[in-house]
Amino acid sequence: AQSVSQHNHHVILSEAASLELGCNYSYGGTVNLFWYVQYPGQHLQLLLKYFSGDPLVKGIKGFEAEFIKSKFSFNLRKPSVQWSDTAEYFCAVIAFSGNTGKLIFGQGTTLQVKP
Amino acid sequence: DAGVTQSPTHLIKTRGQQVTLRCSPISGHKSVSWYQQVLGQGPQFIFQYYEKEERGRGNFPDRFSARQFPNYSSELNVNALLLGDSALYLCASSSTHLRYNEQFFGPGTRLTVL
Repeated sequence: AQSVSQHNHHVILSEAASLELGCNYSYGGTVNLFWYVQYPGQHLQLLLKYFSGDPLVKGIKGFEAEFIKSKFSFNLRKPSVQWSDTAEYFCAVIAFSGNTGKLIFGQGTTLQVKP
Repeated sequence: DAGVTQSPTHLIKTRGQQVTLRCSPISGHKSVSWYQQVLGQGPQFIFQYYEKEERGRGNFPDRFSARQFPNYSSELNVNALLLGDSALYLCASSSTHLRYNEQFFGPGTRLTVL
């Protein structure tokens, strides 16, 4: 069965620090990969997605992620975090075995940015 | 444009009761998916519907059922509630059920089972 693993459950950073959140998935076929963010009191929203092509994907608010197929990884990065980046971050995958949009989520990483 | 809407916002039930949660997708979207998010975990897929047909089902017991109406809104029903059903239930809509369509999430319904 496909699964997604996020290595960091709770990350605390100071403003301007660099961020990298780890994500690994278990599936040998073609995958579509996503990072979602949930700001306090708000809906889940899409940060960025990878379907094909350039493995370095840029998303909203200065976030980017790199797909490394050999490592089954899709890590999220931001060079300089802001207090407003405090949120919960979820990595998710859709496996290619079917056409349905079944998202499989990791357990999430809570990011706390101190001003 | 209105986003995905869900009702009610919060719900408190007791064990053994039944509950119905409702979801209205974004206008023009024909697919609705349901997810369960237990505190401290990521959302787990329950169902996906497209054009009123079930297109996918997650690993949930038969106590969970859903349907989609001609206007593409959807209901999730849970029978014989257990304490472990306490969670945030998320609805997501997309233009189709296909894997490359972005899913837009609603605010969720917080279900507490006592």
